[in-house]
Amino acid sequence: SQTIHQWPATLVQPVGSPLSLECTVEGTSNPNLYWYRQAAGRGLQLLFYSVGIGQISSEVPQNLSASRPQDRQFILSSKKLLLSDSGFYLCAWIPGDYGYTFGSGTRLTVV
Amino acid sequence: SQQGEEDPQALSIQEGENATMNCSYKTSINNLQWYRQNSGRGLVHLILIRSNEREKHSGRLRVTLDTSKKSSSLLITASRAADTASYFCATRGGSNYKLTFGKGTLLTVNP
Repeated sequence: SQTIHQWPATLVQPVGSPLSLECTVEGTSNPNLYWYRQAAGRGLQLLFYSVGIGQISSEVPQNLSASRPQDRQFILSSKKLLLSDSGFYLCAWIPGDYGYTFGSGTRLTVV
Repeated sequence: SQQGEEDPQALSIQEGENATMNCSYKTSINNLQWYRQNSGRGLVHLILIRSNEREKHSGRLRVTLDTSKKSSSLLITASRAADTASYFCATRGGSNYKLTFGKGTLLTVNP
């Protein structure tokens, strides 16, 4: 079966520390993968998407970066976190011409 | 920028009543999708309606799409307390698979 895994579920990091969030999918190959961020009381903002290994498209300039080292792995990173990086981060993939399947999300609090 | 805008921002009803949420968007679309998010969780895909469709049903869900008015509605019939969640519309335009989300409607169903 096709599943998506995202971890950790919650994270509290100090300002200026690095970040690495990982997302992996199973049961498929060459998926389109997406990173979204949801601020409190807001909709979802697309951060990055990837159509293949090493292929990253950035939607908004920010303090974050993404990488796709393997076909089914998508990583969101930062070298130095800012307070404004706090939010709920969601990884998603799209199984064909249907709706997205989302991971369970990571709640990041930068203190 | 946000493509879809849901209305109302919050809706509170009694169990058994119907709930209607609306979504407006600005540019031409390929399809429009509705998602549900329970508090602190990832989003779950509910239903997708293509630009050449006008109405679609799935269980207690009914979605309409009016491309001339650039609007959609989601109707949940015979609501249950378990339907309490935030509901988001998302639009996909063009040949890419990126979705643009609105800010959502918070639905509260009181038992």
